[in-house]
Amino acid sequence: EAEVAQSPRYKITEKSQAVAFWCDPISGHATLYWYRQILGQGPELLVQFQDESVVDDSQLPKDRFSAERLKGVDSTLKIQPAELGDSAMYLCASSSFDMSSYNEQFFGPGTRLTVL
Amino acid sequence: AQTVTQSQPEMSVQEAETVTLSCTYDTSESDYYLFWYKQPPSRQMILVIRQEAYKQQNATENRFSVNFQKAAKSFSLKISDSQLGDAAMYFCAYRSALGSYKLIFGSGTRLLVRP
Repeated sequence: EAEVAQSPRYKITEKSQAVAFWCDPISGHATLYWYRQILGQGPELLVQFQDESVVDDSQLPKDRFSAERLKGVDSTLKIQPAELGDSAMYLCASSSFDMSSYNEQFFGPGTRLTVL
Repeated sequence: AQTVTQSQPEMSVQEAETVTLSCTYDTSESDYYLFWYKQPPSRQMILVIRQEAYKQQNATENRFSVNFQKAAKSFSLKISDSQLGDAAMYFCAYRSALGSYKLIFGSGTRLLVRP
């Protein structure tokens, strides 16, 4: 069964360091999402890609966060410099893009980031 | 802006019994989707059930069913014959039928299942 892959699963870093997370969506899925899930809260969208284009990054802290999906397949989310408040689970999800369908989002296992 | 509220941080149910998780939402849109997602400990989030707002009939998936009250903006999840494997965080989520496909999540309800 096809799944969304993410790495690393866990990351511990010190504040002011740079971190990067990788996501490989389900093959053929045009839409890719990065969500941030702070402990005790629901996920919140950081950025959404349609193929290689960003369609929504309104909640992405652009002074320190960046995301790319250069070939419209896998994606990287970067934080530089990391701050204590960035400690969270970072979830990647993907979906097909079909105007006639509700386009279920499939989630990866997430990367749990701890900033010390 | 749309919001989703889950007012029960934690619920407990005896194995084989029935439990209902509550969710309310706020939107000015008439066409949208509602979802319940399950997030087991250290495992990925999976879709449990979905409801299209234009459908009056409540969705059902095996032991899971919803009570969708569009006028009241309420969307509760009923789990029948609860099993130990149902223990997880449950998130209610909203998605517009138009524009961005992003999900707007509630804060979640932790479900404990007692053997």
